[in-house]
Amino acid sequence: SQQGEEDPQALSIQEGENATMNCSYKTSINNLQWYRQNSGRGLVHLILIRSNEREKHSGRLRVTLDTSKKSSSLLITASRAADTASYFCATGGSGGSNYKLTFGKGTLLTVNP
Amino acid sequence: DTAVSQTPKYLVTQMGNDKSIKCEQNLGHDTMYWYKQDSKKFLKIMFSYNNKELIINETVPNRFSPKSPDKAHLNLHINSLELGDSAVYFCASSQMDSGNTIYFGEGSWLTVV
Repeated sequence: SQQGEEDPQALSIQEGENATMNCSYKTSINNLQWYRQNSGRGLVHLILIRSNEREKHSGRLRVTLDTSKKSSSLLITASRAADTASYFCATGGSGGSNYKLTFGKGTLLTVNP
Repeated sequence: DTAVSQTPKYLVTQMGNDKSIKCEQNLGHDTMYWYKQDSKKFLKIMFSYNNKELIINETVPNRFSPKSPDKAHLNLHINSLELGDSAVYFCASSQMDSGNTIYFGEGSWLTVV
């Protein structure tokens, strides 16, 4: 069964604005990861946050994790047209199992120049 | 150099045919995967191999048979192709003891007509 659910399904913003995407999941996790997929391409890993972390930064990306609410958010600041892509959250099972990383359906982000 | 490479990138074939998709990773990873992405962009794991041994075999028809000749290769053979097999198939790899990041190939677009 699907683990992560991204929200919204689609988001359209202007260049320079911030974009926030949310992910909810159902069972306990060891870590949560965010990936980006450009149209017609493979997925690219963006950031990983472990279950004992609450916030993590990487460049213009900020990820939060609330294990009590089983949710995570990805914030992209000062967006650029090149950020246009689908963004997926993926959850790694408890016990550190990476064999079954479960992906959500993704948020399609469009950044208009 | 491409870290995870898969061939062919595009494949159009008739129902009932047998086809293979090849995957190679040059990252020295010990775990490889096959994922299927449907038309709604839902990404689902099919198989996972660790050190050439099958770890995960999700509910996939037995027409799909993975084969790992060595740690760097994981090929996917599909028998008696059906219309519903049309999708994008992604090969991926990871190293289990280093952060759980999964590296994806660029995908193989399979169209069954």
